[in-house]
Amino acid sequence: ETGVTQTPRHLVMGMTNKKSLKCEQHLGHNAMYWYKQSAKKPLELMFVYSLEERVENNSVPSRFSPECPNSSHLFLHLHTLQPEDSALYLCASSQVPGTGRARQYFGPGTRLTVT
Amino acid sequence: EDQVTQSPEALRLQEGESSSLNCSYTVSGLRGLFWYRQDPGKGPEFLFTLYSAGEEKEKERLKATLTKKESFLHITAPKPEDSATYLCAVQEGGDTGRRALTFGSGTRLQVQP
Repeated sequence: ETGVTQTPRHLVMGMTNKKSLKCEQHLGHNAMYWYKQSAKKPLELMFVYSLEERVENNSVPSRFSPECPNSSHLFLHLHTLQPEDSALYLCASSQVPGTGRARQYFGPGTRLTVT
Repeated sequence: EDQVTQSPEALRLQEGESSSLNCSYTVSGLRGLFWYRQDPGKGPEFLFTLYSAGEEKEKERLKATLTKKESFLHITAPKPEDSATYLCAVQEGGDTGRRALTFGSGTRLQVQP
């Protein structure tokens, strides 16, 4: 148990569906991240939120829409996805001290399958 | 652009057979190098952070070392429960250093009894 929870753990959706992934951290951190992990590929950063402000958007298609209503919660809204979007979606959080040397704590991930 | 290359891609060891995993990196100013362990269907679990060349850290059968170009994860007398994918990641430093990590593809380790 890392203090970062993600729901749902598994999701199957059609290409025309709209769904949301949820992440919650109980560590008092002020930065949160979405990563995508596809088979045999490195983890790819999608979005970074620091103090509830989006500070990085790694050229992610607009069919993925993040939302960070407060420092403890992070959402990833999904719509009109493609089969190649099937992957493990990981949420992480960290503290953002002045030096930026902050280890990231990962949640268990949401296994997404797009049919 | 930051680059992280891990080798080998996969490694099969007999229980008790020590070995090392490699992580080569290219980054403009290293803020930190991280090692994570990932079990199938789970999120990465933090192992170590290394900040400067020459630094070493140990935890049970694992020892991580860092040079200016690469890091090694040494596994001494591994057990079957050490089987997992080991991920290396770097965090860029400098005034505009990104907070996010750049990951390698991982080394898939299997330890047979």
